[in-house]
Amino acid sequence: NAGVTQTPKFRVLKTGQSMTLLCAQDMNHEYMYWYRQDPGMGLRLIHYSVGEGTTAKGEVPDGYNVSRLKKQNFLLGLESAAPSQTSVYFCASSYRGSSNQPQHFGDGTRLSIL
Amino acid sequence: DAKTTQPTSMDCAEGRAANLPCNHSTISGNEYVYWYRQIHSQGPQYIIHGLKNNETNEMASLIITEDRKSSTLILPHATLRDTAVYYCIVRVASTNAGKSTFGDGTTLTVKP
Repeated sequence: NAGVTQTPKFRVLKTGQSMTLLCAQDMNHEYMYWYRQDPGMGLRLIHYSVGEGTTAKGEVPDGYNVSRLKKQNFLLGLESAAPSQTSVYFCASSYRGSSNQPQHFGDGTRLSIL
Repeated sequence: DAKTTQPTSMDCAEGRAANLPCNHSTISGNEYVYWYRQIHSQGPQYIIHGLKNNETNEMASLIITEDRKSSTLILPHATLRDTAVYYCIVRVASTNAGKSTFGDGTTLTVKP
């Protein structure tokens, strides 16, 4: 059981380039989330999804887009990367969004924008 | 969203119990207290959660005060591998898709 898998694990981009981060979960979870974590700080929610075909903005959505075409996958896109988007990105999923369901996290994607 | 307050850092001797406090004085009646930890920049790992009653699992125990305004995570026999950042989170109500607000956490250092 792989849980939550993120690809790639590392990536270096130049300013203005675009890329897509992939999150896949094999737990049949309805809810999925994208967070970013900057050095020495906690996680901040970028976007989330409550089901296939639906997405919503989180705390820091600017500069990112997401898609949930399949239940098991949640994609995070950077259309025009900026140095301020250098961060570690974590994906999470939960069975439902209720208060009684823990989130399961991937191991992160470390992204550097030069 | 209910906010949490945790000490920035704590030390614990290997083999002793580690008691990590958390204040959440604005918690609502239907909000759970969750604990996660993050080891060396890996993805956060779920530890335990509770609503009113004390909870115990194979990893830790969670003690919630009767007024629910604070809680304590207990690692009964800390090992060096328990060195991590521990996050106390009040999980927002189900109408907000279960989003979690992570603060800066407590850095626990287990020393030999």
